[in-house]
Amino acid sequence: GQNIDQPTEMTATEGAIVQINCTYQTSGFNGLFWYQQHAGEAPTFLSYNVLDGLEEKGRFSSFLSRSKGYSYLLLKELQMKDSASYLCAVRVNTNAGKSTFGDGTTLTVKP
Amino acid sequence: DAGVIQSPRHEVTEMGQEVTLRCKPISGHDYLFWYRQTMMRGLELLIYFNNNVPIDDSGMPEDRFSAKMPNASFSTLKIQPSEPRDSAVYFCASSMRGVYSNQPQHFGDGTRLSIL
Repeated sequence: GQNIDQPTEMTATEGAIVQINCTYQTSGFNGLFWYQQHAGEAPTFLSYNVLDGLEEKGRFSSFLSRSKGYSYLLLKELQMKDSASYLCAVRVNTNAGKSTFGDGTTLTVKP
Repeated sequence: DAGVIQSPRHEVTEMGQEVTLRCKPISGHDYLFWYRQTMMRGLELLIYFNNNVPIDDSGMPEDRFSAKMPNASFSTLKIQPSEPRDSAVYFCASSMRGVYSNQPQHFGDGTRLSIL
């Protein structure tokens, strides 16, 4: 199976930069997803990495190192609305379609 | 463009009753997933289907849980009999197969289930 670790909670200040880490142990790795989930709502897709390196999407970037089993989500110019849970999910086996989710990191942005 | 549609949004019932949760995936999506989310256990995959066929039901907690997908546009998750520990938010999600497996899952708004 897969073992996915994320910090439980993080706090940051509005306008700052925050990095949320995710480590995983798996065989047959085939992609890593980041999802955002606001309290009381459904998870929504943020980013996808399958090759090593950085993917940038506006204020959000995601990095992957397959050899280290490590990813991070970088949020720049934090806004109050970024307060949410951030879920790391690992997919194995292209044809399976299945992803295993980490427990999520709850980010609180303070003024 | 309609997303994943789940019903009901909220359900409160007494233990021992049968509960049926419903899901309509996004048209054209090959995969359908049922998840359960609680504070204690996070987001757990219960079962998923590919082209209406159940692929992996290893996450279904016990025989009281069953899921069906009679056609490409409809799935149900049934709990019979229900117990208080089944109280959770149940999400349905769907995704496309995608050649490079980069297709994310699209989640419905969830069903908040409370078993008294």
